[in-house]
Amino acid sequence: DVKVTQSSRYLVKRTGEKVFLECVQDMDHENMFWYRQDPGLGLRLIYFSYDVKMKEKGDIPEGYSVSREKKERFSLILESASTNQTSMYLCASSLSRGAGGLFHTDTQYFGPGTRLTVL
Amino acid sequence: RKEVEQDPGPFNVPEGATVAFNCTYSNSASQSFFWYRQDCRKEPKLLMSVYSSGNEDGRFTAQLNRASQYISLLIRDSKLSDSATYLCVVTPLYDSGGGADGLTFGKGTHLIIQP
Repeated sequence: DVKVTQSSRYLVKRTGEKVFLECVQDMDHENMFWYRQDPGLGLRLIYFSYDVKMKEKGDIPEGYSVSREKKERFSLILESASTNQTSMYLCASSLSRGAGGLFHTDTQYFGPGTRLTVL
Repeated sequence: RKEVEQDPGPFNVPEGATVAFNCTYSNSASQSFFWYRQDCRKEPKLLMSVYSSGNEDGRFTAQLNRASQYISLLIRDSKLSDSATYLCVVTPLYDSGGGADGLTFGKGTHLIIQP
């Protein structure tokens, strides 16, 4: 059974704190993703990693950084948390499918989410 | 800006009815298409992939229309347990340098099945 776990279900932090959100997958997937989900805005991609130590910015990377030192682990870092970063954060992983130098993202499996509140 | 558009609803449908909704996308290079289901306060979970030839899984049928750039989801004989938000996602081809450009979820269609 596929499994993506996130370090916390609920987190409360203060403005200016450094925040680490951890995500671990046990499926040997190449791709890992961090999203945030807000009412009326849907899922928005923050960062994406397609291999160890590789990362790509998503639609809303400002105020965030990521780290992927091991294939199974993808961390999201809020260097200095702000109230507008209060949100549900979802991690996902997927295989890549393709050949001939072209790939596409296969089914994404999501973790249970971390509801972060920044006061 | 590559977009994926869905009618947010809510769709209020009586139990046993058939309901269908679409998802339009603007990136003609999109390669993979999926429908996900998300229950309240839960993570999205894959409902079904969408293939060019269309595919069916029990009461659910998904279709892709590349010419008009939309995917559809049809639910027959709807059950109370089908109440959820349905998200579509489209993803592009990318080269070995990686890329998340165009990896986009729709905002979801909220479905409420009424007894």
